[in-house]
Amino acid sequence: DVKVTQSSRYLVKRTGEKVFLECVQDMDHENMFWYRQDPGLGLRLIYFSYDVKMKEKGDIPEGYSVSREKKERFSLILESASTNQTSMYLCASSSPSRGATQPQHFGDGTRLSIL
Amino acid sequence: AQTVTQSQPEMSVQEAETVTLSCTYDTSESNYYLFWYKQPPSRQMILAIRQEAYKQQNATENRFSVNFQKAAKSFSLKISDSQLGDTAMYFCAFMWGGSEKLVFGKGTKLTVNP
Repeated sequence: DVKVTQSSRYLVKRTGEKVFLECVQDMDHENMFWYRQDPGLGLRLIYFSYDVKMKEKGDIPEGYSVSREKKERFSLILESASTNQTSMYLCASSSPSRGATQPQHFGDGTRLSIL
Repeated sequence: AQTVTQSQPEMSVQEAETVTLSCTYDTSESNYYLFWYKQPPSRQMILAIRQEAYKQQNATENRFSVNFQKAAKSFSLKISDSQLGDTAMYFCAFMWGGSEKLVFGKGTKLTVNP
């Protein structure tokens, strides 16, 4: 089975801090994703990476950056955390579709609170 | 831009009964895929069922089935013989054929009552 591991289930940080959320997958997937999940808003894509060192902005990239130095690891960075970034963050990975779409596999999520 | 609409924020059903969750989508693409993802309380999101738009036959996975109406751009999920473990958030999602990215609806919170 695919395993997507997020480093923390719960995280509490202060306004202005630099925050790192880590995600590791063990299935050699090329694609990795970071989503933000808020009640009533569903999942919104923050950033997407389709290969090492490659990244693409999603729908809500403002205030976030990402890093993918190794294929299995995709980091989400909040450069200067703000209270409106309090949310559930989900990481996912998938193989490239190449004619047959592949499902995304999700981690357990990190519930981040910014005080 | 593709959009996905789930019009039922919350639903409830009695154990053993059947429930249908609605989803509509808007796209001009002809090659696309549709998904229902299930997120149990405090647990990992998992794929429940998926449908390729080019297939006319509705997908089924055990007690889960879809009613795919391509012309109406509708993709509803039917859960038969509901079980307590079906209690979860359900997200409808769309992916067009040239993309790796999913577009999600806002979700439907389903509660199965004993």
